[in-house]
Amino acid sequence: NAGVTQTPKFRVLKTGQSMTLLCAQDMNHEYMYWYRQDPGMGLRLIHYSVGEGTTAKGEVPDGYNVSRLKKQNFLLGLESAAPSQTSVYFCASSFPLSGPLDSSTDTQYFGPGTRLTVL
Amino acid sequence: DQQVKQNSPSLSVQEGRISILNCDYTNSMFDYFLWYKKYPAEGPTFLISISSIKDKNEDGRFTVFLNKSAKHLSLHIVPSQPGDSAVYFCAASGGGSQGNLIFGKGTKLSVKP
Repeated sequence: NAGVTQTPKFRVLKTGQSMTLLCAQDMNHEYMYWYRQDPGMGLRLIHYSVGEGTTAKGEVPDGYNVSRLKKQNFLLGLESAAPSQTSVYFCASSFPLSGPLDSSTDTQYFGPGTRLTVL
Repeated sequence: DQQVKQNSPSLSVQEGRISILNCDYTNSMFDYFLWYKKYPAEGPTFLISISSIKDKNEDGRFTVFLNKSAKHLSLHIVPSQPGDSAVYFCAASGGGSQGNLIFGKGTKLSVKP
């Protein structure tokens, strides 16, 4: 049981380049999330998905797109990278459908992160 | 406007003593609170949580206290160990957040041997 995995771990881009970050989870979770963490800013939600084929905007969605074609995968895309997108990106998942439906389904489990530098 | 606030960016404690990390929130509809621990170059890991129907939850050396009237929660670590040195994030959900967690900015705990 690998939990939440992220690919790649590190990446350096030039301004204007595009890339896709992949998140995969093997816990059969319904919900998946993408966050960015910047110094002094905590974790900020970029986009999230409440199920296969659905996505929604979070707190800081501009410049990013996402797709959830399969339940276990959540992709984060940068179409034209900017230096302001230099950050550490974390994926998380939550809400298993099996088991009791209570507030503990809000507990999110995080991947190890992707460190992205945009020059 | 920040709904979850951790007003202390850092805290230094001697090994064996108690560490107390504080968190305040503004949304009275939050009904579930969590603490995450994060080491450098790793993802946050879930530490402990508490539902709004309780005022205390304990797990080994970690205890979370919730004061709903003050909209305040705290994490107590007793006794503190050098391995506890990390950034601790407070998070809350409920009240229309649609299952999303609202995070504080974190407190960096340093436990000195």
